Amino acid sequence: NAGVTQTPKFQVLKTGQSMTLQCAQDMNHNSMYWYRQDPGMGLRLIYYSASEGTTDKGEVPNGYNVSRLNKREFSLRLESAAPSQTSVYFCASSENPPNEQFFGPGTRLTVL
Amino acid sequence: AQKITQTQPGMFVQEKEAVTLDCTYDTSDPSYGLFWYKQPSSGEMIFLIYQGSYDQQNATEGRYSLNFQKARKSANLVISASQLGDSAMYFCAMREDNYGQNFVFGPGTRLSVLP
Repeated sequence: NAGVTQTPKFQVLKTGQSMTLQCAQDMNHNSMYWYRQDPGMGLRLIYYSASEGTTDKGEVPNGYNVSRLNKREFSLRLESAAPSQTSVYFCASSENPPNEQFFGPGTRLTVL
Repeated sequence: AQKITQTQPGMFVQEKEAVTLDCTYDTSDPSYGLFWYKQPSSGEMIFLIYQGSYDQQNATEGRYSLNFQKARKSANLVISASQLGDSAMYFCAMREDNYGQNFVFGPGTRLSVLP
């Protein structure tokens, strides 16, 4: 039982490059989330998916797209990376209603 | 507007003593949930405790308890009998049910437990 897994763990991009962050959970949760964490700040919600086939914007969705591929997988895509997107990205999942979130280990992304 | 306020950027506590980490929140939604998470230096996010807005009693989980004062809109985390392993960042978060599953996190409090 791996919980929430994220790939890659680390990534360095140049400005303008694209990439997809992958997230998968094996807890049969309906809801999945993508957050970013910048130094000295708490987590900010980028997008979430309350069920397979639905996605909704969070606090900071600009510059990102998401895909809920199936119940297990929720990916985050940066189409044209910018230095402002340098951050640690966390994926999480939960049941509905979300009285507890389970987090992945995070992806540390640097955009040069 | 800041929905979650954590006014203590850093706190120190002696090992085996109790410590209270402050959290105030702002919402007009009558139905909401409040959460505390721990983030050690290794970086993972660990769920600690949850309190629903309609829960009559304060939540407790082992050495963690949530001091929920609804009228004051505060949800302070109390850690009893602090251990060295409690040294970490602690985040308060809120989910407003009228906003779906839109979670909002506070800026965090760094707790250092002294031997």
